[in-house]
Amino acid sequence: GESVGLHLPTLSVQEGDNSIINCAYSNSASDYFIWYKQESGKGPQFIIDIRSNMDKRQGQRVTVLLNKTVKHLSLQIAATQPGDSAVYFCAENRNNNAGNMLTFGGGTRLMVKP
Amino acid sequence: DAGITQSPRHKVTETGTPVTLRCHQTENHRYMYWYRQDPGHGLRLIHYSYGVKDTDKGEVSDGYSVSRSKTEDFLLTLESATSSQTSVYFCAISEGGPAMNTEAFFGQGTRLTVV
Repeated sequence: GESVGLHLPTLSVQEGDNSIINCAYSNSASDYFIWYKQESGKGPQFIIDIRSNMDKRQGQRVTVLLNKTVKHLSLQIAATQPGDSAVYFCAENRNNNAGNMLTFGGGTRLMVKP
Repeated sequence: DAGITQSPRHKVTETGTPVTLRCHQTENHRYMYWYRQDPGHGLRLIHYSYGVKDTDKGEVSDGYSVSRSKTEDFLLTLESATSSQTSVYFCAISEGGPAMNTEAFFGQGTRLTVV
């Protein structure tokens, strides 16, 4: 297994610097957003989530910002480490009668230079 | 991987043959999903299940069918595989329903190649 591979936007940062990964979502009715990290050969892993009634949420070394006005989501990683190198996906949750419907963005590859 | 097992992990099959991928969970989560991942498209939902025998289509369901006869197993079947179905397939599970926004947990993926 692997991530999308080709034609991904790539962000290259120096170890120790902060990283900001951006995502534009499409549906103004989406009420829940998640950032996933995908390392080569693995499935996506949950990093952090945010509900639409919030603008900001912080985790360990990560912060997610939500701007509903322009339908924009960002993931900030503090003091980026080589282990942060991966593809990052944002996902928006559109509830329907049956349950959660996660729709994913195309992904951004983060490369951390030692 | 949150108690999710996909099998097989890799498969090569010929065009026109049927293929079934299995997802098994040990978390007793109600919701299960099948996604495919292709370059340039990220992850796209194929089908999902909101309970035993309850399934619905996602955005790329053509050419696929699913079945869920028990909580822990969700099967994805390609009735007649085509080269366009060469992809990496991910199963996911989540606990929450419409009123509960909860994250989905993913399996390790199945790489399917149709030749």
